[in-house]
Amino acid sequence: AQSVTQLDSHVSVSEGTPVLLRCNYSSSYSPSLFWYVQHPNKGLQLLLKYTSAATLVKGINGFEAEFKKSETSFHLTKPSAHMSDAAEYFCVVSGGSQGNLIFGKGTKLSVKP
Amino acid sequence: GAGVSQSPSNKVTEKGKDVELRCDPISGHTALYWYRQSLGQGLEFLIYFQGNSAPDKSGLPSDRFSAERTGGSVSTLTIQRTQQEDSAVYLCASSPRGSVHEKLFFGSGTQLSVL
Repeated sequence: AQSVTQLDSHVSVSEGTPVLLRCNYSSSYSPSLFWYVQHPNKGLQLLLKYTSAATLVKGINGFEAEFKKSETSFHLTKPSAHMSDAAEYFCVVSGGSQGNLIFGKGTKLSVKP
Repeated sequence: GAGVSQSPSNKVTEKGKDVELRCDPISGHTALYWYRQSLGQGLEFLIYFQGNSAPDKSGLPSDRFSAERTGGSVSTLTIQRTQQEDSAVYLCASSPRGSVHEKLFFGSGTQLSVL
C-alpha cells in the first residue's frame, strides 16, 4: 500500500535562509510524487512533480525536490526563503488505484522577518 | 470557466440535516475528485469520477455520503443526516484525463460547519 509521511508538522525559518521540508513515502511500485502548496484562504496549487524522469525536479517559486529511491524520500528545498513562502505544504504520492492521490498531513511553513 | 468553482463557499447546518455541495470543474476535464480537509488531518480522499462514472468510491466515510456527476461536468456531494464530525473543508479538483501523473486543479473549497 502507498503512504506518505511528512516528518514535520511545523517549520519556522528566517527570511533569506534555506528551507527544508521533509517527506518520506512508501510504495509497492514506482510512484509519482508531488508537492502542493496551500496559501491562507487560497486553493491548493501544484509546486512540482516527479514522474520517473529526472530525480531532481524544479518547481515554481524557486523550489526543488530530489527523489531518492534508496531513502524513499522526496524532500522539498529552497535556497532562500521569502515571506511569501509562508503557507502549508503537502507531499503527495500516487495511490494504488487510478485517481487516488494520497496526501501527507501537511507542513506549515512560517517565515520570520 | 477559468478554474474549478465550488459552491457554497461556506455552509452552516444543524446536526441531522442534509447538505449538498457543488463542484464545477474546468471545462473539458474528464476527471473530478472530492477530498475532505479537517484541521490537522491533511487531505482525505473521498471519491473520484472519470466522466460520469465513479471507479473509486473507497474513500466515502459512510453510507451517509454520496456523490454524482452528470453530463461529465458538474458534480454534487451529498451528506445526509449530518453529524458534527462532518465539519471540514470539502475540496474538489479536476484534471484533464485522470492520469496519476497529472496536475490537479483545486477549487477553493466549501467550509462545512455542523452545529
